[in-house]
Amino acid sequence: DGGITQSPKYLFRKEGQNVTLSCEQNLNHDAMYWYRQDPGQGLRLIYYSQIVNDFQKGDIAEGYSVSREKKESFPLTVTSAQKNPTAFYLCASSIVFSSSYNEQFFGPGTRLTVL
Amino acid sequence: DAKTTQPTSMDCAEGRAANLPCNHSTISGNEYVYWYRQIHSQGPQYIIHGLKNNETNEMASLIITEDRKSSTLILPHATLRDTAVYYCIVRAYGRSNDYKLSFGAGTTVTVRA
Repeated sequence: DGGITQSPKYLFRKEGQNVTLSCEQNLNHDAMYWYRQDPGQGLRLIYYSQIVNDFQKGDIAEGYSVSREKKESFPLTVTSAQKNPTAFYLCASSIVFSSSYNEQFFGPGTRLTVL
Repeated sequence: DAKTTQPTSMDCAEGRAANLPCNHSTISGNEYVYWYRQIHSQGPQYIIHGLKNNETNEMASLIITEDRKSSTLILPHATLRDTAVYYCIVRAYGRSNDYKLSFGAGTTVTVRA
């Protein structure tokens, strides 16, 4: 089945530690995205990638880093510089970056808790 | 992107149609209406989108008024699994920031047995 997988579903880390969240898609989509969602709030864009080996900062990139070495993979690292990292992290992908039919498909999310 | 207004919450009886309204009175001519939903603790799920014609797919129907200032998402036979937060958004085609999804508070739909 085609889709987006994120792992792990729940993640606990101590304050000051870096942590990497996995995102893999087998939909052959060019574009991938990372969003953050806090309780009762909407989505905020962290980083996005239009194509392999390219990525751009979103609205709240500080304290995060990404890589896009393969089309199907877009891992997100939450660094110790992120002041409030506890949140629900969502990865998404779309066929092309900019299109009128740019519906984004989301993974199941990773809930990160920093203790 | 145009702002949207949705009711905070609504209840629906299982098996009945659920009609979810959305106002987008400042929508521009090149902006599409999209609907997503998010079941608790899961990623958002794309439902349907449209420009000015009514649209239907296996999940729902989208009715857009002639002046495009409002729309209604119709879930024809709601089930308990349709309980979720439903987001109505408008997005332009061709703008530099049209890749970003921005969800508001949405409508919390509770389907009751």
